[in-house]
Amino acid sequence: AQTVTQSQPEMSVQEAETVTLSCTYDTSESDYYLFWYKQPPSRQMILVIRQEAYKQQNATENRFSVNFQKAAKSFSLKISDSQLGDAAMYFCAYLWEGNKLVFGAGTILRVKS
Amino acid sequence: DTGVSQNPRHKITKRGQNVTFRCDPISEHNRLYWYRQTLGQGPEFLTYFQNEAQLEKSRLLSDRFSAERPKGSFSTLEIQRTEQGDSAMYLCASSLGTGYYGYTFGSGTRLTVV
Repeated sequence: AQTVTQSQPEMSVQEAETVTLSCTYDTSESDYYLFWYKQPPSRQMILVIRQEAYKQQNATENRFSVNFQKAAKSFSLKISDSQLGDAAMYFCAYLWEGNKLVFGAGTILRVKS
Repeated sequence: DTGVSQNPRHKITKRGQNVTFRCDPISEHNRLYWYRQTLGQGPEFLTYFQNEAQLEKSRLLSDRFSAERPKGSFSTLEIQRTEQGDSAMYLCASSLGTGYYGYTFGSGTRLTVV
């Protein structure tokens, strides 16, 4: 079974600074999709960014970007110019067999003002 | 498009009782997924539907759990003879086709079994 590992249970960042959340995964597939989701306290999960494995270019969505290292099976999320509203639980996820998302355990991001 | 709607938001039940949750997906989405999330953990896959067909069930889904999606629209998840270990957030999500573009999640139903 595919596994997704987020080794940082909790991270803190100062407002306006940059933070990187780590994610590694295990797969034997050559073509797959990876995602980062944000889950604010008591609110629904929101898609932040997605990456297609066959694309070499790292995905970017405004202040959010990824560092996708296919050979290392690493998929980190960089948040630039952190804002108070970025505080949430962040989940890395892998789309397995095109049918279901497999999630990591999550990283709590705290933003300090 | 009002997003994915889940009801109720919260449910407290006594051990041994049956509970049923409802999920209304985005209307044009043909796939619907159920996940369970315990405190401080990532969501775990339970089952998914393509239209009205239930295509896969996780081994996490014991015989006490049943899900339906009649007519390929809303879905229900029923838990019979609830146990304290069933206490969790139950998340529903939907997608148009496969999940290549991600899922849209609902706000979840938090179940507490006392």
